[in-house]
Amino acid sequence: DGGITQSPKYLFRKEGQNVTLSCEQNLNHDAMYWYRQDPGQGLRLIYYSQIVNDFQKGDIAEGYSVSREKKESFPLTVTSAQKNPTAFYLCASSIGAGRYTNYGYTFGSGTRLTVV
Amino acid sequence: ELKVEQNPLFLSMQEGKNYTIYCNYSTTSDRLYWYRQDPGKSLESLFVLLSNGAVKQEGRLMASLDTKARLSTLHITAAVHDLSATYFCAVGYQYNFNKFYFGSGTKLNVKP
Repeated sequence: DGGITQSPKYLFRKEGQNVTLSCEQNLNHDAMYWYRQDPGQGLRLIYYSQIVNDFQKGDIAEGYSVSREKKESFPLTVTSAQKNPTAFYLCASSIGAGRYTNYGYTFGSGTRLTVV
Repeated sequence: ELKVEQNPLFLSMQEGKNYTIYCNYSTTSDRLYWYRQDPGKSLESLFVLLSNGAVKQEGRLMASLDTKARLSTLHITAAVHDLSATYFCAVGYQYNFNKFYFGSGTKLNVKP
């Protein structure tokens, strides 16, 4: 079955450490996205990518970095510059970018990141 | 920036009752999405609304879109406990089609 796989499900980060969250999809979707969800709040866009080797900052990109070397993969690195990284991180993909996102997103199962 | 407001944020209701969740947004858009999230889980797509007057129904849930009023509603008919979850609306941003803006969510608790 096609879908989006995020790993790990739980991740603990020490102060000053960089960590990378994995996101892989086998839906042949062009566009991929990273969102952050804080308790009791909606989702905020961190980064998105419409095509391989291209990505754009979302609304809260500071302290995060991404790469899109393959269509299937869009890993997110949470750097030490992100001062409050504890949150639930969701990866999503859509069948196309721009006007073609009529089907909305397919979401992964999420990664819960905690600073220890 | 597009702002999306949902209300109510919390909703506790008895089984068998009807209720409506509202989603208002601040700028023109003709794409609106509803999602369901169970505790600790990811988001599941419920409805995609792509034009003014669009209405979609699935089981006890019905969603509608009024682009002139910048309003979408999610109506729950004869609620059952299994509908307990958090419901989010998301609006497509017309100036950047790749960006969706999410409401804060409505946490629904249906009491048996």
